[in-house]
Amino acid sequence: QITLKESGPALVKPTQTLTLTCTFSGFSLTSVGVGVGWIRQPPGKALEWLANIYWDDGKNHSPSLKSRVTITKDTSKNQVVLTMTNMDPVDTATYYCAHSSGEKIETFDIWGQGTLVTVSS
Amino acid sequence: DIQMTQSPSTLSASVGDRVTITCRASQSINNWLAWYQQKPGKAPKLLIYKASSLESGVPSRFSGSGSGTEFTLTISSLQSDDFATYYCHQYDSYHSFGQGTKLEIK
Repeated sequence: QITLKESGPALVKPTQTLTLTCTFSGFSLTSVGVGVGWIRQPPGKALEWLANIYWDDGKNHSPSLKSRVTITKDTSKNQVVLTMTNMDPVDTATYYCAHSSGEKIETFDIWGQGTLVTVSS
Repeated sequence: DIQMTQSPSTLSASVGDRVTITCRASQSINNWLAWYQQKPGKAPKLLIYKASSLESGVPSRFSGSGSGTEFTLTISSLQSDDFATYYCHQYDSYHSFGQGTKLEIK
């Protein structure tokens, strides 16, 4: 059974750097064709993709956020880490990590429960 | 960036109705389109990938069609569990989501 869970601070101040960890089980990020993505959703608004990382350490980032977002993986810990610099109140959102693989690579078939991050001084 | 536009934004329907949600892309995305269902306070759930492939475990009343720039999600006979918000997602060039369609009980 595949599960993912996001963890990190619930509150960050403007200009600070956000670090979120996705801890997963039931799959390996060393297996060919596997990826993990980060997606966020401001309260009452639509989903926004942030970044993906793949089994071969390939990465994709949202062009609009590329300068602020970094995605890395620690395969020994079954974790993917997202960092986002220079946080602003508009970055207040629920942040999700999600699994993708195989013929559904680039779609998100299993999601974590999400973690709400509020940006406020 | 590829923009995804869903219509309608809100849809009122009754149990048993056949409903269709449309998603238009600002440029061709071939068949690289997925649909998700999201209920309040929950993570999205994958329904359809590659425009028309049904995700395992998803009821057959859900179907997807389309290619190029225009796609549809159809629910053949609405059940009470289907009232939720639906999002389309293109993954042809990076990723982008539609703004969502809220399916309400009439």
